Amino acid sequence: EVQLVESGGGLVKPGGSLRLSCAASGFTFSSYSMNWVRQAPGKGLEWVSSISSSSSYIYYADSVKGRFTISRDNAKNSLYLQMNSLRAEDTAVYYCARDHHDQSYYFDYWGQGTLVTVSS
Amino acid sequence: AIRITQSPSSLSASTGDRVTITCRASQGISSYLAWYQQKPGKAPKLLIYAASTLQSGVPSRFSGSGSGTDFTLTISCLQSEDFATYYCQQYYSYPQTFGQGTKLEIK
Repeated sequence: EVQLVESGGGLVKPGGSLRLSCAASGFTFSSYSMNWVRQAPGKGLEWVSSISSSSSYIYYADSVKGRFTISRDNAKNSLYLQMNSLRAEDTAVYYCARDHHDQSYYFDYWGQGTLVTVSS
Repeated sequence: AIRITQSPSSLSASTGDRVTITCRASQGISSYLAWYQQKPGKAPKLLIYAASTLQSGVPSRFSGSGSGTDFTLTISCLQSEDFATYYCQQYYSYPQTFGQGTKLEIK
Protein backbone atom coordinates (compact mmCIF):
# COMPACT_ATOMS: atom_id res chain seq x y z
CA GLU A 1 0.00 0.00 0.00
CA VAL A 2 1.33 3.40 -0.98
CA GLN A 3 1.82 5.66 2.03
CA LEU A 4 3.07 9.22 2.27
CA VAL A 5 3.50 10.67 5.75
CA GLU A 6 4.41 14.33 6.21
CA SER A 7 5.98 15.80 9.32
CA GLY A 8 7.73 18.94 10.46
CA GLY A 9 4.89 21.43 10.43
CA GLY A 10 4.21 23.84 13.26
CA LEU A 11 4.07 27.44 14.37
CA VAL A 12 6.88 29.71 13.22
CA LYS A 13 7.42 33.47 13.31
CA PRO A 14 7.60 35.55 10.13
CA GLY A 15 11.10 35.36 8.72
CA GLY A 16 11.71 32.00 10.33
CA SER A 17 12.52 28.62 8.83
CA LEU A 18 11.01 25.17 8.86
CA ARG A 19 11.89 21.86 7.22
CA LEU A 20 9.13 19.52 6.14
CA SER A 21 9.68 15.82 5.54
CA CYS A 22 7.66 13.21 3.72
CA ALA A 23 8.31 9.53 4.38
CA ALA A 24 7.27 7.27 1.51
CA SER A 25 6.53 3.57 1.55
CA GLY A 26 4.77 0.91 -0.50
CA PHE A 27 6.33 1.81 -3.85
CA THR A 28 9.72 2.28 -5.52
CA PHE A 29 10.31 5.86 -4.39
CA SER A 30 13.32 6.37 -6.66
CA SER A 31 11.17 5.83 -9.77
CA TYR A 32 8.73 8.69 -9.23
CA SER A 33 8.75 12.46 -9.34
CA MET A 34 7.46 14.00 -6.13
CA ASN A 35 5.74 17.25 -5.27
CA TRP A 36 4.63 19.62 -2.56
CA VAL A 37 1.17 21.15 -2.84
CA ARG A 38 -0.30 23.50 -0.26
CA GLN A 39 -3.74 24.67 0.78
CA ALA A 40 -4.27 27.81 2.81
CA PRO A 41 -7.09 27.58 5.37
CA GLY A 42 -10.44 27.57 3.58
CA LYS A 43 -8.78 28.08 0.19
CA GLY A 44 -7.94 26.06 -2.89
CA LEU A 45 -4.92 24.02 -3.89
CA GLU A 46 -1.62 25.58 -4.91
CA TRP A 47 1.28 23.64 -6.40
CA VAL A 48 4.55 24.59 -4.65
CA SER A 49 7.43 22.51 -6.02
CA SER A 50 8.38 19.37 -7.94
CA ILE A 51 11.47 17.19 -8.11
CA SER A 52 12.11 14.45 -10.64
CA SER A 53 13.04 10.91 -9.65
CA SER A 54 16.80 11.49 -9.88
CA SER A 55 16.63 15.14 -8.74
CA SER A 56 17.70 16.25 -12.21
CA TYR A 57 14.68 18.49 -12.69
CA ILE A 58 13.41 20.84 -10.00
CA TYR A 59 10.64 23.42 -10.31
CA TYR A 60 9.17 26.02 -8.00
CA ALA A 61 6.13 28.25 -7.95
CA ASP A 62 7.06 31.91 -8.30
CA SER A 63 5.57 32.55 -4.86
CA VAL A 64 8.27 30.45 -3.17
CA LYS A 65 11.21 30.67 -5.56
CA GLY A 66 14.39 31.72 -3.77
CA ARG A 67 12.93 30.92 -0.34
CA PHE A 68 12.03 27.22 -0.51
CA THR A 69 14.25 24.29 -1.49
CA ILE A 70 12.95 20.85 -2.43
CA SER A 71 15.18 17.80 -2.11
CA ARG A 72 14.95 14.05 -1.79
CA ASP A 73 16.95 11.13 -0.46
CA ASN A 74 16.14 8.03 -2.46
CA ALA A 75 18.12 5.83 -0.08
CA LYS A 76 15.85 6.95 2.75
CA ASN A 77 12.62 7.08 0.68
CA SER A 78 12.17 10.65 1.82
CA LEU A 79 11.19 14.00 0.35
CA TYR A 80 11.98 17.34 1.97
CA LEU A 81 10.99 20.98 1.75
CA GLN A 82 13.28 23.54 3.38
CA MET A 83 11.29 26.72 3.90
CA ASN A 84 13.15 29.95 4.72
CA SER A 85 12.05 33.57 5.09
CA LEU A 86 8.55 32.43 5.89
CA ARG A 87 5.65 34.85 5.47
CA ALA A 88 2.12 34.91 6.81
CA GLU A 89 0.86 33.97 3.35
CA ASP A 90 2.80 30.69 3.54
CA THR A 91 0.36 29.51 6.23
CA ALA A 92 -1.22 26.36 4.83
CA VAL A 93 -1.52 22.62 5.01
CA TYR A 94 1.39 21.22 3.00
CA TYR A 95 0.80 17.98 1.16
CA CYS A 96 3.39 15.64 -0.26
CA ALA A 97 2.10 14.12 -3.51
CA ARG A 98 3.40 11.50 -5.93
CA ASP A 99 3.33 11.84 -9.70
CA HIS A 100 1.20 9.16 -11.34
CA HIS A 101 4.35 8.21 -13.20
CA ASP A 102 7.73 9.91 -13.43
CA GLN A 103 7.23 13.46 -14.69
CA SER A 104 3.53 12.98 -15.35
CA TYR A 105 2.82 16.24 -13.47
CA TYR A 106 -0.47 15.13 -11.93
CA PHE A 107 -0.77 13.40 -8.61
CA ASP A 108 -2.17 9.99 -7.74
CA TYR A 109 -1.23 9.64 -4.06
CA TRP A 110 -1.21 12.33 -1.40
CA GLY A 111 -0.16 12.40 2.23
CA GLN A 112 -2.46 13.56 5.02
CA GLY A 113 -0.77 16.95 5.14
CA THR A 114 1.12 18.93 7.76
CA LEU A 115 0.01 22.36 8.94
CA VAL A 116 2.43 25.27 8.80
CA THR A 117 1.35 28.43 10.63
CA VAL A 118 3.39 31.59 10.20
CA SER A 119 2.44 34.10 12.86
CA SER A 120 4.04 36.35 15.43
CA ALA B 1 0.93 31.00 -15.97
CA ILE B 2 -2.12 29.32 -17.43
CA ARG B 3 -5.28 30.40 -15.62
CA ILE B 4 -8.03 27.89 -14.95
CA THR B 5 -11.55 29.18 -14.43
CA GLN B 6 -13.79 26.61 -12.76
CA SER B 7 -17.56 26.92 -12.53
CA PRO B 8 -19.77 26.95 -10.66
CA SER B 9 -18.03 27.70 -7.37
CA SER B 10 -20.81 25.89 -5.54
CA LEU B 11 -23.61 23.61 -6.51
CA SER B 12 -26.58 22.13 -4.66
CA ALA B 13 -27.93 18.81 -5.84
CA SER B 14 -29.77 15.73 -4.64
CA THR B 15 -28.72 12.09 -4.63
CA GLY B 16 -29.51 10.56 -8.00
CA ASP B 17 -28.99 13.84 -9.87
CA ARG B 18 -26.62 14.31 -12.78
CA VAL B 19 -24.22 17.20 -12.32
CA THR B 20 -21.61 18.86 -14.49
CA ILE B 21 -18.64 21.00 -13.48
CA THR B 22 -16.70 23.02 -16.02
CA CYS B 23 -13.10 24.20 -16.30
CA ARG B 24 -11.85 26.64 -18.89
CA ALA B 25 -8.14 27.22 -19.51
CA SER B 26 -6.76 30.60 -20.54
CA GLN B 27 -4.93 28.91 -23.41
CA GLY B 28 -5.01 25.54 -25.09
CA ILE B 29 -3.76 22.67 -22.93
CA SER B 30 -4.57 19.75 -25.22
CA SER B 31 -5.86 17.02 -22.87
CA TYR B 32 -3.48 17.73 -19.99
CA LEU B 33 -6.18 18.10 -17.36
CA ALA B 34 -6.88 16.18 -14.16
CA TRP B 35 -9.82 16.21 -11.75
CA TYR B 36 -9.63 15.70 -7.99
CA GLN B 37 -12.17 15.21 -5.21
CA GLN B 38 -11.51 16.54 -1.72
CA LYS B 39 -13.54 15.90 1.40
CA PRO B 40 -13.24 18.10 4.50
CA GLY B 41 -10.03 17.50 6.42
CA LYS B 42 -8.77 15.00 3.86
CA ALA B 43 -6.22 15.02 1.06
CA PRO B 44 -7.40 15.34 -2.53
CA LYS B 45 -8.10 12.16 -4.47
CA LEU B 46 -7.32 11.76 -8.16
CA LEU B 47 -10.45 10.97 -10.18
CA ILE B 48 -9.57 11.57 -13.83
CA TYR B 49 -6.43 12.38 -15.82
CA ALA B 50 -5.74 13.12 -19.46
CA ALA B 51 -9.13 14.84 -19.43
CA SER B 52 -11.14 11.62 -19.71
CA THR B 53 -9.20 8.66 -18.29
CA LEU B 54 -10.71 7.28 -15.11
CA GLN B 55 -8.20 6.58 -12.34
CA SER B 56 -8.18 2.98 -11.15
CA GLY B 57 -10.85 2.32 -8.53
CA VAL B 58 -12.95 5.40 -9.32
CA PRO B 59 -16.63 4.60 -9.94
CA SER B 60 -17.83 4.75 -13.53
CA ARG B 61 -20.47 7.37 -12.68
CA PHE B 62 -17.60 9.87 -12.92
CA SER B 63 -16.59 10.92 -16.42
CA GLY B 64 -14.54 13.66 -17.99
CA SER B 65 -14.47 15.23 -21.40
CA GLY B 66 -12.96 18.07 -23.38
CA SER B 67 -9.73 19.19 -24.94
CA GLY B 68 -8.07 22.47 -25.81
CA THR B 69 -9.57 25.02 -23.44
CA ASP B 70 -12.94 23.61 -22.30
CA PHE B 71 -13.42 20.62 -20.02
CA THR B 72 -16.21 19.03 -18.03
CA LEU B 73 -16.54 16.62 -15.13
CA THR B 74 -19.86 14.81 -15.01
CA ILE B 75 -21.23 12.73 -12.17
CA SER B 76 -24.07 10.73 -13.67
CA CYS B 77 -26.00 9.64 -10.58
CA LEU B 78 -24.96 11.37 -7.39
CA GLN B 79 -24.33 9.24 -4.36
CA SER B 80 -24.10 10.51 -0.79
CA GLU B 81 -20.35 10.00 -0.75
CA ASP B 82 -19.91 12.32 -3.75
CA PHE B 83 -20.70 15.48 -1.80
CA ALA B 84 -17.29 17.13 -1.65
CA THR B 85 -15.19 19.81 -3.31
CA TYR B 86 -13.86 19.17 -6.81
CA TYR B 87 -10.78 20.71 -8.41
CA CYS B 88 -9.40 20.60 -11.91
CA GLN B 89 -5.67 20.94 -12.61
CA GLN B 90 -3.80 21.68 -15.80
CA TYR B 91 -0.43 20.03 -16.25
CA TYR B 92 0.33 21.21 -19.76
CA SER B 93 3.01 23.57 -18.49
CA TYR B 94 4.69 24.78 -15.32
CA PRO B 95 3.44 26.03 -13.02
CA GLN B 96 0.70 23.43 -12.78
CA THR B 97 -2.41 25.37 -11.83
CA PHE B 98 -5.68 24.40 -10.21
CA GLY B 99 -9.17 25.70 -10.61
CA GLN B 100 -10.62 27.47 -7.59
CA GLY B 101 -12.83 24.50 -6.72
CA THR B 102 -16.51 23.58 -6.84
CA LYS B 103 -18.23 22.72 -3.59
CA LEU B 104 -20.98 20.17 -4.21
CA GLU B 105 -23.58 20.30 -1.46
CA ILE B 106 -26.70 18.38 -0.64
CA LYS B 107 -29.92 20.17 -1.59
